[in-house]
Amino acid sequence: DGGITQSPKYLFRKEGQNVTLSCEQNLNHDAMYWYRQDPGQGLRLIYYSQIVNDFQKGDIAEGYSVSREKKESFPLTVTSAQKNPTAFYLCASRATGTPRGTQYFGPGTRLLVL
Amino acid sequence: AQSVTQPDIHITVSEGASLELRCNYSYGATPYLFWYVQSPGQGLQLLLKYFSGDTLVQGIKGFEAEFKRSQSSFNLRKPSVHWSDAAEYFCAVGAIIGGGADGLTFGKGTHLIIQP
Repeated sequence: DGGITQSPKYLFRKEGQNVTLSCEQNLNHDAMYWYRQDPGQGLRLIYYSQIVNDFQKGDIAEGYSVSREKKESFPLTVTSAQKNPTAFYLCASRATGTPRGTQYFGPGTRLLVL
Repeated sequence: AQSVTQPDIHITVSEGASLELRCNYSYGATPYLFWYVQSPGQGLQLLLKYFSGDTLVQGIKGFEAEFKRSQSSFNLRKPSVHWSDAAEYFCAVGAIIGGGADGLTFGKGTHLIIQP
């Protein structure tokens, strides 16, 4: 079955620690996205990537970093510079080549601070 | 800049009753509009989308939405809700984001509660 997987489901971060959230897709999609979801805030875009080895900052990129070394993978690192990392993180992907194509979402990772 | 407003933070509906969730958008060009549903602790599932053509769009799980350009609205409807419809619903507009990429701008969501 094609889809998007995110791991882990829950992640705990200690003060000053960097943590990495995994996102993998086997849909052969070119574009991938990371969103942060807080209660009552909807989804806010952190980073996105349209092709391998290229990515762009979204609306709330400070304290986060990404890489896109493979088409199917788009990991997100939450750095120690992100002072309020507790949130639900969602990864999405989209086929390019058609305008405004649909984004498909993974199951999410909940990040909690110890 | 584009924006999406979902005026109702919470809506409570009795099981079997009809449902309408409101969505208003602001976008300078022809919008591409989406409704997603999210169960607690889960990712988002696409319910339906509007790109062009017929302004009444049918989706999964018996949902439909109507695009009204004059009102800048894309309201979601269902004639008879089931307890399993209790979830968070998000409206989104497709837009050009930085670097010329296609992205989504989301509303803040409407939490649907179903009363027995």
